[in-house]
Amino acid sequence: DTAVSQTPKYLVTQMGNDKSIKCEQNLGHDTMYWYKQDSKKFLKIMFSYNNKELIINETVPNRFSPKSPDKAHLNLHINSLELGDSAVYFCASSPTGGNEQFFGPGTRLTVL
Amino acid sequence: DAKTTQPPSMDCAEGRAANLPCNHSTISGNEYVYWYRQIHSQGPQYIIHGLKNNETNEMASLIITEDRKSSTLILPHATLRDTAVYYCIVRVFLTGNQFYFGTGTSLTVIP
Repeated sequence: DTAVSQTPKYLVTQMGNDKSIKCEQNLGHDTMYWYKQDSKKFLKIMFSYNNKELIINETVPNRFSPKSPDKAHLNLHINSLELGDSAVYFCASSPTGGNEQFFGPGTRLTVL
Repeated sequence: DAKTTQPPSMDCAEGRAANLPCNHSTISGNEYVYWYRQIHSQGPQYIIHGLKNNETNEMASLIITEDRKSSTLILPHATLRDTAVYYCIVRVFLTGNQFYFGTGTSLTVIP
């Protein structure tokens, strides 16, 4: 059983397009996150949600809009894609009060 | 911002213990030390964490110095599958609080 899943695994698109990445966790966790890992392999937090409420927004451009329809899902919508958005995006979740974050397999986004 | 310093790369012979050091000289009293690893093209995986006592689980041991300014992750019997980038992170334990990943140590286990 997949704990944290992301779709799609690969996404290739043109500059200026709008795209979404979906994330689902079946662990019953209350907190979910989005991270971005760039070509230099730096892994940076983008957003953190707890019980569907935004907790952290790390100065991410407003072209990026996370949406949490329920505690098990945190989707990432990106408007007007730019070349610099090319990266691997990881979703993660953790229980409230927990020490461990569980990461999804990642979505490799390539903007041409 | 990452508050830790790790060597960029290390090698270890298969079957031997891998000792990965981490410096966190500015750690605060309420910050824990966490270790994660990232095997190529996969999401990071939790290994272990601790506050001030040494910790051991089925994957590894964590040794934290008495002044808490440095720590060592020990993989007792490294296998080829342990080849990965290992991240040492200090973090205040708080709901929704993120992990700041630094550059990590790229560990290569050699047959």
